[in-house]
Amino acid sequence: GAGVSQSPRYKVTKRGQDVALRCDPISGHVSLYWYRQALGQGPEFLTYFNYEAQQDKSGLPNDRFSAERPEGSISTLTIQRTEQRDSAMYRCASSSPAETGGYGYTFGSGTRLTVV
Amino acid sequence: AQSVTQPDIHITVSEGASLELRCNYSYGATPYLFWYVQSPGQGLQLLLKYFSGDTLVQGIKGFEAEFKRSQSSFNLRKPSVHWSDAAEYFCAVSGTYKYIFGTGTRLKVLA
Repeated sequence: GAGVSQSPRYKVTKRGQDVALRCDPISGHVSLYWYRQALGQGPEFLTYFNYEAQQDKSGLPNDRFSAERPEGSISTLTIQRTEQRDSAMYRCASSSPAETGGYGYTFGSGTRLTVV
Repeated sequence: AQSVTQPDIHITVSEGASLELRCNYSYGATPYLFWYVQSPGQGLQLLLKYFSGDTLVQGIKGFEAEFKRSQSSFNLRKPSVHWSDAAEYFCAVSGTYKYIFGTGTRLKVLA
């Protein structure tokens, strides 16, 4: 697609429920990143994929968080047994082969998750 | 430890006035430096980036930034602010694929 697409734009869920957040990167972008942005803070790194391989998941806060990118394109970030502290904006970004290594991501508009 | 500091949480300027947003970083090696802008309901848009070479970099929307190694700074500037520049601005540092963002500066523009 023309840009990085994330869905849903907004998600309100009850505490204890599982949620799945979707990211559709720019066509041809091999690298995909997930970030989380709490209110009043900058985005914080969660995880990184190169093609379908999850290269770094050091930023995932605990084992309730997982991510996959099975075919090297669309990615899903799953949060199990959500807690109120999970409420945040979840941002996805992608980069092309010429832009890997931190040369400039393209971010999506994000998914605003609210856990009530 | 690697970090980015944006000391100004909020800045208010009049339309047509000049702007400087401050960014200081702590990083072990020469980093890659970025400024992003976030408008309401929008994603993060890359304004400009510095990798090497000329320490004054030009970006989109009339913005520029200057890398000062001795001060560990990468301040964003614009000579004349437009009302449409009202947004939140984030400075970021990277050595590889992982970005470290500052906490952001929210810019308000007075008519």
